[in-house]
Amino acid sequence: KAGVTQTPRYLIKTRGQQVTLSCSPISGHRSVSWYQQTPGQGLQFLFEYFSETQRNKGNFPGRFSGRQFSNSRSEMNVSTLELGDSALYLCASSSGQTSTGELFFGEGSRLTVL
Amino acid sequence: ILNVEQSPQSLHVQEGDSTNFTCSFPSSNFYALHWYRWETAKSPEALFVMTLNGDEKKKGRISATLNTKEGYSYLYIKGSQPEDSATYLCAPLNNAGNMLTFGGGTRLMVKP
Repeated sequence: KAGVTQTPRYLIKTRGQQVTLSCSPISGHRSVSWYQQTPGQGLQFLFEYFSETQRNKGNFPGRFSGRQFSNSRSEMNVSTLELGDSALYLCASSSGQTSTGELFFGEGSRLTVL
Repeated sequence: ILNVEQSPQSLHVQEGDSTNFTCSFPSSNFYALHWYRWETAKSPEALFVMTLNGDEKKKGRISATLNTKEGYSYLYIKGSQPEDSATYLCAPLNNAGNMLTFGGGTRLMVKP
């Protein structure tokens, strides 16, 4: 069974640009959530999608957005990039509707903003 | 956003030592608690998902206990091995969605 796949793995952008990151969950998983990891803040929740609907949203500005497609693949977009957006972005999928199932994480997309 | 504290922040032990760390979280509206192990250059991997007060789970040399009334969980590693070196993260949930609030983690380093 293929794991969670995130693309691209690494990318460099400049301030003011926008970026789109992609996440393909494990086949059959309907929940996809996104996390940002920075050295100072640890792992922080961005948002979660379940069956194409945003179910939960973290405390991030509106520049951070996401969506989920009918095949459960998800994308997140960050517009007007700032230096502080440099981070590892992790996506995780799970099978169930509730949170008693474990999350399966991808290897992440490492974004550097110059 | 939940206030989650993990202690200690880091821990150095010798191979063969047993060790334990703590995760503290708000006890109100408890729904579930996740534990993950995150090795350098890899993805976080689930260790346990716990839901019941008094629950105890075990996977090999690693076990965890849960006290939802007082808001804490302990993770134990018996006979630590170098391959146990990783950051251990806990994340409680207070609703049914997968909005995990991760603690800062405990970084374990096991010396051979």
